Amino acid sequence: EAGVTQSPTHLIKTRGQQVTLRCSPISGHTSVYWYQQALGLGLQFLLWYDEGEERNRGNFPPRFSGRQFPNYSSELNVNALELEDSALYLCASSRQGASGETQYFGPGTRLLVL
Amino acid sequence: GQNIDQPTEMTATEGAIVQINCTYQTSGFNGLFWYQQHAGEAPTFLSYNVLDGLEEKGRFSSFLSRSKGYSYLLLKELQMKDSASYLCAPRQPGGYNKLIFGAGTRLAVHP
Repeated sequence: EAGVTQSPTHLIKTRGQQVTLRCSPISGHTSVYWYQQALGLGLQFLLWYDEGEERNRGNFPPRFSGRQFPNYSSELNVNALELEDSALYLCASSRQGASGETQYFGPGTRLLVL
Repeated sequence: GQNIDQPTEMTATEGAIVQINCTYQTSGFNGLFWYQQHAGEAPTFLSYNVLDGLEEKGRFSSFLSRSKGYSYLLLKELQMKDSASYLCAPRQPGGYNKLIFGAGTRLAVHP
């Protein structure tokens, strides 16, 4: 069974630009989660999508947004990039969205903002 | 508020046993996960505790005390490949499915 996949693996952007990151969940999983992991810091929750709807949002500014498609894949968009947006962006998926479901992580997209 | 405390770094010897502690203060409780993360890689799921007590899974065990806001991960028969960061992550209650991560514990296993 294929795991969570993310693209691209690495990305370099400059301040003010916009970026789109993509995630495909494990087959049969309907929930997708996005986390940010800055260097040396813990994972910070960004967004949770389930059945195409945004269910929960972390403490991030509105320039972080996303969506989930009918096939349950998801995009994370970051507008007006800032230097501190440089981080590893991790996507995770789980079955449904119910309590107790384990989140399985993808390999991440490493974003560098210059 | 929400706060997760783990030791920043630990070292241990190959073949030994190590216990990684985690204390948490969260607004409610809805289960706690442990993940392993090798440098530059994605976290991989190790264990899930929702009730008090010890969950054993091969060389890895995880313990939970909800009244004390405390969990630990026990790694037995350490191998070099166990050198990684270990992340304690309580889940936010209320159906929000958000995992709350601390900075993790970086474990170095030496020969």
